[in-house]
Amino acid sequence: DTAVSQTPKYLVTQMGNDKSIKCEQNLGHDTMYWYKQDSKKFLKIMFSYNNKELIINETVPNRFSPKSPDKAHLNLHINSLELGDSAVYFCASSQHGQRSSGANVLTFGAGSRLTVL
Amino acid sequence: DAKTTQPNSMESNEEEPVHLPCNHSTISGTDYIHWYRQLPSQGPEYVIHGLTSNVNNRMASLAIAEDRKSSTLILHRATLRDAAVYYCILRDVQNTDKLIFGTGTRLQVFP
Repeated sequence: DTAVSQTPKYLVTQMGNDKSIKCEQNLGHDTMYWYKQDSKKFLKIMFSYNNKELIINETVPNRFSPKSPDKAHLNLHINSLELGDSAVYFCASSQHGQRSSGANVLTFGAGSRLTVL
Repeated sequence: DAKTTQPNSMESNEEEPVHLPCNHSTISGTDYIHWYRQLPSQGPEYVIHGLTSNVNNRMASLAIAEDRKSSTLILHRATLRDAAVYYCILRDVQNTDKLIFGTGTRLQVFP
């Protein structure tokens, strides 16, 4: 079984549309994250949730809305898609959340490639 | 956030040892040093981490300088599968406990 799974793996859509990317982890972890990797391969954290509570929000536009129905799921909904949203989005999870041990290790999903035309 | 500096790229031949350096001169006393790698078309993968002492696991070894201002990830025998981008990251647990990725080192392994 995949530890952190994301769907869809590929998503091609038009500007202005609304889309969602789903993430599930079966590791029993408390914290989940969304990272964005742009065309220059730079990985940047967007959000983190600990037990369904938003912990980190890295000045991401309001068009991006994470939703965590339970601690095993963190979905990313994007409204009014723009060309600049094209990227690979990675979901990750870890055992501990904020102010935890520095040994906290993240497990990443395989990524969801979003292309906005 | 404390930053790390890594070479943009390195090359190695298969079955040779690889030493990937990382400078982190502004590291604080509570920052852990983490290494992740990203294989082509995959998500980042944890490799190893340490605080002050050298560390070994099945994937690699981590050598940490005595003043902690630099560290080296050691792959003892590089394989073609080790070709990836390697990220050296400081874990800022005093503040927001998040991983901040830099540009990393792209390792090429030749047969």
